[in-house]
Amino acid sequence: DVQLLESGGGLVQPGGSLRLPCAASGFTFSSYAMSWVRQAPGKGLEWVSTISGAGGTTYYAESVKGRFTISRDNSKNTLYLQMNRLRAEDTAVYYCAIDGLYSSTSLLNYWGQGTLVTVSS
Amino acid sequence: QSVLTQPPSVSAAPGQKVTISCSESSSNIGNSFVSWYQQLPGTAPKLLIYDNNKRPSGIPDRFSGSKSGTSATLGITGLQTGDEADYYCGTWDSRLSAYVFGTGTKVTVL
Repeated sequence: DVQLLESGGGLVQPGGSLRLPCAASGFTFSSYAMSWVRQAPGKGLEWVSTISGAGGTTYYAESVKGRFTISRDNSKNTLYLQMNRLRAEDTAVYYCAIDGLYSSTSLLNYWGQGTLVTVSS
Repeated sequence: QSVLTQPPSVSAAPGQKVTISCSESSSNIGNSFVSWYQQLPGTAPKLLIYDNNKRPSGIPDRFSGSKSGTSATLGITGLQTGDEADYYCGTWDSRLSAYVFGTGTKVTVL
């Protein structure tokens, strides 16, 4: 079975950093692009970033560009989101998701359960 | 920066049908495939529809998707109390090189 397990969330002060891993299993990790999506408390979904299967191509939302870095270690079947210079408005549940599982044109096909990041002093 | 507009809420009695629209002013939807996601209370989103009108395995055919021009629609027939959730449309915006979500619609079963 496909599984995605995010971790690394917690409380961090404004201006601080955090790295979120997403451990994947049940599929050929390196064959699929992966994404991060976040959801602030009581708000809608916001796409954060996407990385290609080999890791050579990345995309970012304007709201995180220059502060967040998406990466992956295909030898460890793990996706990462490095978050620097965190702001209060980055407070959200962060989900990782698989792209292209059902078709090459479909994204966010399967989601993890999410990890909560709280930015507060 | 959500550029896809959905109605905030829709409601109907059990067994009835609801439709949720997803529209935008530019050509994002017209040029790319639309997906729909269901988020039950307190859970992670789940893919309901991909490539405008395809269902992943395990999604009942009560859920359907369509697209026409710059609008997409999710239909739910035979409404059940278990369908109470938030629903989001989404698509890849090739001009922005970003994925955009709709504003979300809360479905209530009366």
